[in-house]
Amino acid sequence: DTAVSQTPKYLVTQMGNDKSIKCEQNLGHDTMYWYKQDSKKFLKIMFSYNNKELIINETVPNRFSPKSPDKAHLNLHINSLELGDSAVYFCASSPGSYNSPLHFGNGTRLTVT
Amino acid sequence: GENVEQHPSTLSVQEGDSAVIKCTYSDSASNYFPWYKQELGKRPQLIIDIRSNVGEKKDQRIAVTLNKTAKHFSLHITETQPEDSAVYFCAASRDYGGSQGNLIFGKGTKLSVKP
Repeated sequence: DTAVSQTPKYLVTQMGNDKSIKCEQNLGHDTMYWYKQDSKKFLKIMFSYNNKELIINETVPNRFSPKSPDKAHLNLHINSLELGDSAVYFCASSPGSYNSPLHFGNGTRLTVT
Repeated sequence: GENVEQHPSTLSVQEGDSAVIKCTYSDSASNYFPWYKQELGKRPQLIIDIRSNVGEKKDQRIAVTLNKTAKHFSLHITETQPEDSAVYFCAASRDYGGSQGNLIFGKGTKLSVKP
């Protein structure tokens, strides 16, 4: 029973296209996140959502937009894909309370050609 | 904002030896320091964490130490085994009125344990 699940696992697409990655958590957590892991393995936060409100929005291009239909879901939409968007995108969740760890999904490897 | 530096970037040890990975952080208000292990092609998974009110924590072969004055914390793995081979990430975050701030990650250490 996967706690944080994201789909698809692999996504290959051409420059200029628009794509979405879905994420769902069944842990009852209040906060969900999107992290980007580049080719050098650096994990960088993109967004976090708490109770359907964006609480931290790092300086990512506005081509990226998170959408949360409910507390258990946080989807990532990417418009006008660029070569530099190629990376592994990890969804994560946490209770959001004091000093709580992140639980990561299995990642989506995005390749833009 | 918070900045986390991690060293070394790669570490190779013989099976049975100890491995130490060190991290420093910049925000003196940070109070939560987890360590994640990421095996090849898999997701990062929490292996141990420490909060600012303790100086050391152990879990079998893994230990973490925290020096708040110097703003650094370290991961110690004893009696390393080949299955310890992975990329290890340190991270730091602070509390904002009961809610957790962003986890900021170090750049990772690729540990290789040679049989």
